[in-house]
Amino acid sequence: GAGVSQSPSNKVTEKGKDVELRCDPISGHTALYWYRQSLGQGLEFLIYFQGNSAPDKSGLPSDRFSAERTGGSVSTLTIQRTQQEDSAVYLCASSSGTSGRWSDTQYFGPGTRLTVL
Amino acid sequence: AQSVTQLDSHVSVSEGTPVLLRCNYSSSYSPSLFWYVQHPNKGLQLLLKYTSAATLVKGINGFEAEFKKSETSFHLTKPSAHMSDAAEYFCVVSDFTSGTYKYIFGTGTRLKVLA
Repeated sequence: GAGVSQSPSNKVTEKGKDVELRCDPISGHTALYWYRQSLGQGLEFLIYFQGNSAPDKSGLPSDRFSAERTGGSVSTLTIQRTQQEDSAVYLCASSSGTSGRWSDTQYFGPGTRLTVL
Repeated sequence: AQSVTQLDSHVSVSEGTPVLLRCNYSSSYSPSLFWYVQHPNKGLQLLLKYTSAATLVKGINGFEAEFKKSETSFHLTKPSAHMSDAAEYFCVVSDFTSGTYKYIFGTGTRLKVLA
């Protein structure tokens, strides 16, 4: 079946502009995660959605970052007033949410490479 | 605080020889541990996971890892490397501290397989 998809695959923007990154999780998965992968570093957790519960936003680096998940499916990560340090690959993952949050297998999308000039 | 250390940023092996990718973790709780692989321009794929069942975990593509609590290690091994194993590998620990769960990624080990 279809995996996690993300769009766009690449995004180049100018400093100060806003960007929106989209994630389509696997159908039926109730849990959705956003991560950031900077050059030479591991993945950094950003935000977690589970069903209709309030999201865990503890990983968002600043108030310029926000995310929403409409109808329990598609999610959008928004970065306002982008800075050069925001340049990274943004990865989305989803999981079934049935095994307990952190032992669930997470399925990752291919990522969006964001470049801020 | 919980953390994951991948001891080698790069590993090179010859095709047909064993693979060892090292991972040590620190955790204040009973962790779940994972290995993911990332091929160029591809998404992360789960190789295997440990969730407090058998300490020797077998994964896809002939990989396995052994959870050693006394050594706080979760090294990834494969008896015989294949060219298609060339990729970046991430060790991940999930933990529960301060009332919240976190998925902590290591910085990755890039595996190169020589013909």
